[in-house]
Amino acid sequence: AQTVTQSQPEMSVQEAETVTLSCTYDTSESDYYLFWYKQPPSRQMILVIRQEAYKQQNATENRFSVNFQKAAKSFSLKISDSQLGDAAMYFCASPQMSGGGADGLTFGKGTHLIIQP
Amino acid sequence: DGGITQSPKYLFRKEGQNVTLSCEQNLNHDAMYWYRQDPGQGLRLIYYSQIVNDFQKGDIAEGYSVSREKKESFPLTVTSAQKNPTAFYLCASSIPATYNEQFFGPGTRLTVL
Repeated sequence: AQTVTQSQPEMSVQEAETVTLSCTYDTSESDYYLFWYKQPPSRQMILVIRQEAYKQQNATENRFSVNFQKAAKSFSLKISDSQLGDAAMYFCASPQMSGGGADGLTFGKGTHLIIQP
Repeated sequence: DGGITQSPKYLFRKEGQNVTLSCEQNLNHDAMYWYRQDPGQGLRLIYYSQIVNDFQKGDIAEGYSVSREKKESFPLTVTSAQKNPTAFYLCASSIPATYNEQFFGPGTRLTVL
């Protein structure tokens, strides 16, 4: 079974600073995808960024980027120029895969990100 | 606008009662999912369906049931067999491929009185 581990229950960062959220995962698949989702106080889940494991290049979406280390099975999220609106729970996720198709996601327990003004 | 709707937003249930949570999507997605979220926990997969009239158990299916009679709808029934049903329930949909993101509804908060 897939496992996803987020070792930081809570992180705090000053507004405009940079913060990195950690995630490790375990999979027996060779090709797979990894996701970071954001859950603000409204509890609406929002996709932040997606990484394709067979791509060498780390994914980037505006102020959000990942550091993907395939051999170490590490998938950290870096948020640059942190803004008050970034305050949320952040979840790392990996698809459960069997025989192709999407069988649901396995989520980590989340990191609560606090932005200090 | 395309999206996923869940109703009701809040639901209260007495012990021993079955309740059904609604999930509807107009994104024309084939795959739909139900997740449960508890405080301090990530989301856990209850059931999923990749096509109409077919569904599969997820990691925590005991005490739950689903149906998929229409592409747009994937209702979840929380039965009296579910020992600790108080939680936040999220429905999602996607085009069924591992690289596709899942789109989530706003959730239903179920409380057992």
